[in-house]
Amino acid sequence: GEDVEQSLFLSVREGDSSVINCTYTDSSSTYLYWYKQEPGAGLQLLTYIFSNMDMKQDQRLTVLLNKKDKHLSLRIADTQTGDSAIYFCADAEDNQGGKLIFGQGTELSVKP
Amino acid sequence: DTGVSQDPRHKITKRGQNVTFRCDPISEHNRLYWYRQTLGQGPEFLTYFQNEAQLEKSRLLSDRFSAERPKGSFSTLEIQRTEQGDSAMYLCASSWTLQETQYFGPGTRLLVL
Repeated sequence: GEDVEQSLFLSVREGDSSVINCTYTDSSSTYLYWYKQEPGAGLQLLTYIFSNMDMKQDQRLTVLLNKKDKHLSLRIADTQTGDSAIYFCADAEDNQGGKLIFGQGTELSVKP
Repeated sequence: DTGVSQDPRHKITKRGQNVTFRCDPISEHNRLYWYRQTLGQGPEFLTYFQNEAQLEKSRLLSDRFSAERPKGSFSTLEIQRTEQGDSAMYLCASSWTLQETQYFGPGTRLLVL
């Protein structure tokens, strides 16, 4: 079945860029997603990319999609302490919508 | 606020008791999803509805788990005869059929003693 993998931890200095990576085994979905989760909270949709796009920029966020390598990345420019959280990438299990498959999450720690 | 809401936010129960959680989706969304998230893991899909129809329930973790959405609006997730292994965050999300993007509620954290 579908599998999504992420590295578990990333530590950066405030003001630096952060790059969070994700790989997936297959994608018949229309979109791929990035969600943010702060401690004890639900998931906040950060951004998503249409599967026929290579790049999407949204303010400080840049999403890159390499369909050939099945690789998705999220770049956060000028990372702030408020960006400290767990970041999940997600892919739909099939092309019927629904049934998102999530990675384990990458814990981003931003040091002042 | 027109986001997804869940109630209760926290639930502590004793092993063997039944619990029920409620989810109110974004009002114009006709799809509603339930996920479970255990510590250190990403959310795991359980079931989903389109309007009042439950389209997928094979991923419910056991026959102790059931979900309903009787009028196509709010949904309930019930766990019967809770076990300690049921301790987790239960997340609800909603979307509009023609766009897959799912918006999540704050979750219900369950602790089974």
